[in-house]
Amino acid sequence: QVQLVQSGPEVREPGASVKVSCTASGYTFSNFVINWVRQAPGHGLEWMGWISTSQDTVDSPQRFQGRVTITADTSTNTVHLEVRNLRSDDTAIYYCARAPTSTISGRPIYFDFWGRGTLVTVSS
Amino acid sequence: SYELTQPISVSVALGQTASISCGGKRLGTKNVHWYQQTPGQAPRLVIYRDFHRPSGIPERFSGSNSRDTATLNISRAEAGDDGDYYCQVWDTNTGIFGGGTKLTVL
Repeated sequence: QVQLVQSGPEVREPGASVKVSCTASGYTFSNFVINWVRQAPGHGLEWMGWISTSQDTVDSPQRFQGRVTITADTSTNTVHLEVRNLRSDDTAIYYCARAPTSTISGRPIYFDFWGRGTLVTVSS
Repeated sequence: SYELTQPISVSVALGQTASISCGGKRLGTKNVHWYQQTPGQAPRLVIYRDFHRPSGIPERFSGSNSRDTATLNISRAEAGDDGDYYCQVWDTNTGIFGGGTKLTVL
């Protein structure tokens, strides 16, 4: 069965960096893309970006560009999300989510399987 | 930037039908997806591309999308349907979520 196993909780001080991982199993890794979505305490969902290992493509909204990096290790079917220069409002649960892609654009369509989430706490 | 508007909360009596709306400019021209999030859990896809149900999602869940509003309907509401529901679309290659609706089954 499809599984997305995420790394454990992290605590960082403001200004530091954090790297969260998501290891996929139960399907052909290159046939889907992996997205990152975060949820601050008591708030809604916020999309952070996606990566395609088959097309060597990464995309994220402009508000995160320069501070967020998404990478993939195809040898271990693992995707990493790194967030730099952390602020208190980066405190959130970070979810990875699999997505099938459009045959026309190669871009994600919907998020069909989700990891359980990784809590990142930013506090001095 | 594109915005999706959902009611903050919806209540439904046990066994009745709940309707959760999602509003956006010309939303009917986009594919809308819906996610359920029960307390302490990760979101789960319940409707994709407006009205399609993933494997394992009960037929009680249905969706529609027209003009400026998409709707998620949950018939014969059960206590386990309690939770937050989010609509989602793509706009200019950016993933957009609605603010979420808290469904309470009375």
